Amino acid sequence: DADVTQTPRNRITKTGKRIMLECSQTKGHDRMYWYRQDPGLGLRLIYYSFDVKDINKGEISDGYSVSRQAQAKFSLSLESAIPNQTALYFCATSDRGLTLTSTDTQYFGPGTRLTVL
Amino acid sequence: GQNIDQPTEMTATEGAIVQINCTYQTSGFNGLFWYQQHAGEAPTFLSYNVLDGLEEKGRFSSFLSRSKGYSYLLLKELQMKDSASYLCAVLYMDSNYQLIWGAGTKLIIKP
Repeated sequence: DADVTQTPRNRITKTGKRIMLECSQTKGHDRMYWYRQDPGLGLRLIYYSFDVKDINKGEISDGYSVSRQAQAKFSLSLESAIPNQTALYFCATSDRGLTLTSTDTQYFGPGTRLTVL
Repeated sequence: GQNIDQPTEMTATEGAIVQINCTYQTSGFNGLFWYQQHAGEAPTFLSYNVLDGLEEKGRFSSFLSRSKGYSYLLLKELQMKDSASYLCAVLYMDSNYQLIWGAGTKLIIKP
C-alpha cells in the first residue's frame, strides 16, 4: 500500500464550486505539505503543517484553506474554485531531521489533477 | 525572493554521462535536495547535500559548493528509464521554513 495517498486523483469542476482534496499518510510523519505544480514552474507551496496544531501559509495560500484533522490527515479546500487554480496538486510528508546532516526529506503522494472550467 | 536556476531541458545518449546544474542564492541556506519526476507522477527523492563535496549513490552523484551557491547532479551509464525531470530544491531557514523548488530540468535520453 502507498504511504501517502490522495483523493480524488482527478477532478473536473466548475468556477465557483467548493472543492476538497484529501491526503492521508501511514508514514507516521509529523510534517505535511500541500503544493501545486504548473507546467514550466517549480512546485509552489500552498500550506504546511508541522503538527496537528500548527498550520502555516506558504508561498501561494490565497484562495485556499487547509485542515489538519489528525497526524495522518491533511485536507486542502478551494472555497470558490477559479480557472487559474487548474493544476496538479501534490501532498507531501516529512519527518523532522534532528542532526546537522539528517534530512527533512519529503515524500509525495501521487497527485490530484484538478481542472476548473 | 529566493531563486533556483537550472536548465530547462537537456538531451543525452543512452550509456553516457550527464551533469545537471543548479544555482541558488546562498543566504540562509540549510540544505539542497534533488528529486526525480517522471511525467505525470510524483517527485521521488534522489539525494540531499548540506555539506560541501560529492555524495555518491550508485549511478547518481550529487555535488555541493555552498560558497558558490552551486550544485550538480551527475548521472552515469544513462538508461532510457532515466528520461524524466530532475528537480533541485533548496531549504532556507530564517524566521520561516522555506523549501524553494527549481522549475526542473527535463532530461531526454536518446538511444
